[in-house]
Amino acid sequence: GESVGLHLPTLSVQEGDNSIINCAYSNSASDYFIWYKQESGKGPQFIIDIRSNMDKRQGQRVTVLLNKTVKHLSLQIAATQPGDSAVYFCAENGKDTGRRALTFGSGTRLQVQP
Amino acid sequence: DTEVTQTPKHLVMGMTNKKSLKCEQHMGHRAMYWYKQKAKKPPELMFVYSYEKLSINESVPSRFSPECPNSSLLNLHLHALQPEDSALYLCASSQPTVLEQFFGPGTRLTVL
Repeated sequence: GESVGLHLPTLSVQEGDNSIINCAYSNSASDYFIWYKQESGKGPQFIIDIRSNMDKRQGQRVTVLLNKTVKHLSLQIAATQPGDSAVYFCAENGKDTGRRALTFGSGTRLQVQP
Repeated sequence: DTEVTQTPKHLVMGMTNKKSLKCEQHMGHRAMYWYKQKAKKPPELMFVYSYEKLSINESVPSRFSPECPNSSLLNLHLHALQPEDSALYLCASSQPTVLEQFFGPGTRLTVL
């Protein structure tokens, strides 16, 4: 069936480096994508979103890139800080399912080494 | 107020108990959601309420019973749960026409 998946379950980076978290999606009808950050013991926190009519969107220290040709989404975090350590989920809307609901990918744990 | 609150933070219950999880938001959102999250897994959608009416039930067992008494409140009534139902239960809200959902901190449920 359709799914949203991530390439790497754990990513370890040095403080100050840039981080790139990848996500592959298979539902070509999805037109909305969102990244959430979940710290231990907390609920998911919105980071950034992007619609399918865009290739790139920037926020504060974060950039999301969308490649619809290969159905790939990435989250770039500039100058990674210890506070960025968390699990990151991508999610997509599965537009053709007729439901207004998000489907989450399996998550990537980002570990920032001081 | 831009947050979703959930009570209790932690809940331990036996398989014969009846308990309820509560969720509240005051952002004027008219869509509210329940998710279940097992350890090291993504949130899994359980129920969606839109304008206080149940719009999605993801084939959730009847031992979970949602209720949306008004536009700010969402409850999840629990009865005769199984140990495998132990998980983090997350509530979220959004505007019905917007997909960005705001999540609460969750209730950590343990079923003995």
